[in-house]
Amino acid sequence: SAVISQKPSRDICQRGTSLTIQCQVDSQVTMMFWYRQQPGQSLTLIATANQGSEATYESGFVIDKFPISRPNLTFSTLTVSNMSPEDSSIYLCSVRTGGSGANVLTFGAGSRLTVL
Amino acid sequence: TQLLEQSPQFLSIQEGENLTVYCNSSSVFSSLQWYRQEPGEGPVLLVTVVTGGEVKKLKRLTFQFGDARKDSSLHITAAQPGDTGLYLCAGVKNFNKFYFGSGTKLNVKP
Repeated sequence: SAVISQKPSRDICQRGTSLTIQCQVDSQVTMMFWYRQQPGQSLTLIATANQGSEATYESGFVIDKFPISRPNLTFSTLTVSNMSPEDSSIYLCSVRTGGSGANVLTFGAGSRLTVL
Repeated sequence: TQLLEQSPQFLSIQEGENLTVYCNSSSVFSSLQWYRQEPGEGPVLLVTVVTGGEVKKLKRLTFQFGDARKDSSLHITAAQPGDTGLYLCAGVKNFNKFYFGSGTKLNVKP
């Protein structure tokens, strides 16, 4: 399965600033997913990032707040813009692995963001 | 509202006890997965069940997919402290869309 590196692993930010989270995969993947998770709770899909096209955002998430880049098949970034304390959460990058037709998600370790 | 509801939400038991976690939905899925997540890590896949009524065993863990492919259960026999973590079920639709359950936080005390 793929190995995913995310950074930063955690950060403390001031209200009104922006933070970019990086996700590096050790193999080429078509689709990359960005999730948000409150500690100890479920995962909420923010968007799906395909290389060469605009990211597809889920209901409740917009590009201006969470711009995503996908410059190649092994890398993506998620920016959390104009942060407020409500954005404090864990942000996880994920890819679908296992070959054609496989439905296994592999996750990075997550980026824990605290907004003061 | 969550498409998949898990129960219980929290579970704290002694080492050696048995437990069952339930994952319920009114929606049909092509497959259902269980993940376990430890603090500071991402979720890791435990199992995928595909056929209605399917039962899979992974050492002390037994997974079952409901006949109608709407629900699933995870049973752990003789729980150990190493089983502690957040358990998440995930229903898969259209081979591409993953819907995560509300999560069950398990603590196994030595």
